[in-house]
Amino acid sequence: LAKTTQPISMDSYEGQEVNITCSHNNIATNDYITWYQQFPSQGPRFIIQGYKTKVTNEVASLFIPADRKSSTLSLPRVSLSDTAVYYCLLPREGSTLGRLYFGRGTQLTVWP
Amino acid sequence: NAGVTQTPKFRILKIGQSMTLQCTQDMNHNYMYWYRQDPGMGLKLIYYSVGAGITDKGEVPNGYNVSRSTTEDFPLRLELAAPSQTSVYFCASSYPVSGGGSGTDTQYFGPGTRLTVL
Repeated sequence: LAKTTQPISMDSYEGQEVNITCSHNNIATNDYITWYQQFPSQGPRFIIQGYKTKVTNEVASLFIPADRKSSTLSLPRVSLSDTAVYYCLLPREGSTLGRLYFGRGTQLTVWP
Repeated sequence: NAGVTQTPKFRILKIGQSMTLQCTQDMNHNYMYWYRQDPGMGLKLIYYSVGAGITDKGEVPNGYNVSRSTTEDFPLRLELAAPSQTSVYFCASSYPVSGGGSGTDTQYFGPGTRLTVL
């Protein structure tokens, strides 16, 4: 049973800010929300992780509202090289640490 | 650090053949995972291991076997290859974060093995 829902695809142009929203209505109290990025023919790569409010690193920002039922990955000023699949992840139900559930993700395509 | 390495990069098997996909990590991570990814789909967990000598099934273990004799290595064995096993296979590793909540450990992925069964 999928724990997260995110758009299948999104399009943007270079220089724009992109926001990808993920729904996770049944998030557990201890669950962290993690986002990964996957380029074609490569393994996924960790982008950012958060529990509540806002987290920012050199790559992206993650916004999590107080009810934690959704989260938004924000990519500032995207470039062509940001074209990739973005996964919003929660731990698998009843799982030990590290057993993340990978859904289909969001295919982001950045156009010139 | 080389991180997570996988061999081979590509392989074509005939139906019924067997092979072992190799995975090695040099980060001293306790946790290791095998995933498969079919075209246009997300990753499905095949097997995982929380330490040497300890393995457990993921969501799609049928047709595969694993072993974990050392911290560094986590080979995946395909017995009697079938066309349904045509996929890209990713190995990953992570370490548990002390005091972290659920899902806080970061998984590091290898470059993948593209397997075709004809």
